[in-house]
This record gives sequence, C-alpha cells and structure tokens, in this order.
Amino acid sequence: GEDVEQSLFLSVREGDSSVINCTYTDSSSTYLYWYKQEPGAGLQLLTYIFSNMDMKQDQRLTVLLNKKDKHLSLRIADTQTGDSAIYFCAESPTGNQFYFGTGTSLTVIP
Amino acid sequence: DTGVSQNPRHKITKRGQNVTFRCDPISEHNRLYWYRQTLGQGPEFLTYFQNEAQLEKSRLLSDRFSAERPKGSFSTLEIQRTEQGDSAMYLCASSSPPGVFGANVLTFGAGSRLTVL
Repeated sequence: GEDVEQSLFLSVREGDSSVINCTYTDSSSTYLYWYKQEPGAGLQLLTYIFSNMDMKQDQRLTVLLNKKDKHLSLRIADTQTGDSAIYFCAESPTGNQFYFGTGTSLTVIP
Repeated sequence: DTGVSQNPRHKITKRGQNVTFRCDPISEHNRLYWYRQTLGQGPEFLTYFQNEAQLEKSRLLSDRFSAERPKGSFSTLEIQRTEQGDSAMYLCASSSPPGVFGANVLTFGAGSRLTVL
C-alpha cells in the first residue's frame, strides 16, 4: 500500500472547476485523505472520506471514491486564485502510517 | 494553542555535522509523527510516537537518525554525520486518538528545512 499516484500539474481558469485525480494501492485503508500545501507551509487537511462511501461533499469540495478501481478524485468548484497550491492524496492502511502521493500542483489563471 | 510548532525553520550545515530539530505538538495530542519531504515529492513517513513510546519506524530511518519524545510532549529528531542526501524538509505532525472507526486527522507544522553543504 505504498504507491499513491497523482498527475503532477493542473492548470485551470478562475471560476472553472478543478478535478485532481489519485490512484492508490491498499484497499484496506479505512479513510482516504486530501491535504493542501501552500508555498513554505506545512500540509493542511482539506477533507477525508470513509472507504465505504462513494462521495462526500463539503462546500466547494467534492470527493469521489471508486473503491473497485482504487481511484480517488477531488473536485473544486468555482476555483479561485487562492486555491493555487499543491494537493496531496493520502491513504493510511494502519491508521497511523500515512502514504502520500507526489502531489498535484494546481495553478489558477486569473 | 498555536498549532504544531517546529524549530528551527531553516538549518544550513556542513556535511558531517549533527543537527537537531524540535517539534512542539498541539498540547492535547498524544500522537506525534515525523515525515521527510524532498522537492517535488510527497511526505515520507519516518517515525511515530504515542505518548513517549516510539511505536513505528520507517526503513528510511537509518542509524544516523534518532527521534525522542521523553515526556510525551515535545519531540526531537537528531541527524548525526549529515550527508547531502539528508537535505529535505522535515515535517512534524500530531493527532489525538480517533474514535472507533474515526479518521486520524494529522495537524502538520510548517516544517524545518535542512540544507547540507
């Protein structure tokens, strides 16, 4: 359960939706997480989803989980320039040790 | 509580020197984690404490690395005989125990950046 993959870059126009994708390997992870990292800062938890759920919505954020394909996505509606950052998905098979993806760098064009 | 605090924020050292980083977690959190992040990569797990007990260590944590959490509050990460490959951001995170079937939510510090010349 240590291979979490993400595409490296995504560029969108302000006001459009952003979709960041992630594939993971360990189906035993009870929760899957999305973190955001701004330049010079630590990671900030955005949201997480219980593995028995298909979808979770939290304001502008929608998480979709396809457990069969081990695919996780994060949709940001009405993307703003302040959303420019690196986004990491993470799985945690044991609940303690977290495996992070390489991160997707989101650039929002005004 | 001001969140997870890490010091120093930046450390430049020469190869072969020892360095120590400190992490002060959120006071009510009994779990503390160290991660290492290199440029363009996600954080890699190094080690994890529950109170003062070090419960997990990554294979990445060579003999030159040692972490302690003597009183179950702050933690230190020491790197002996630093090598250029140790240059990275060292991140600390803390959490409180999740309830049954609850998510383990990590709160990260801003990190300590190490540059080994």
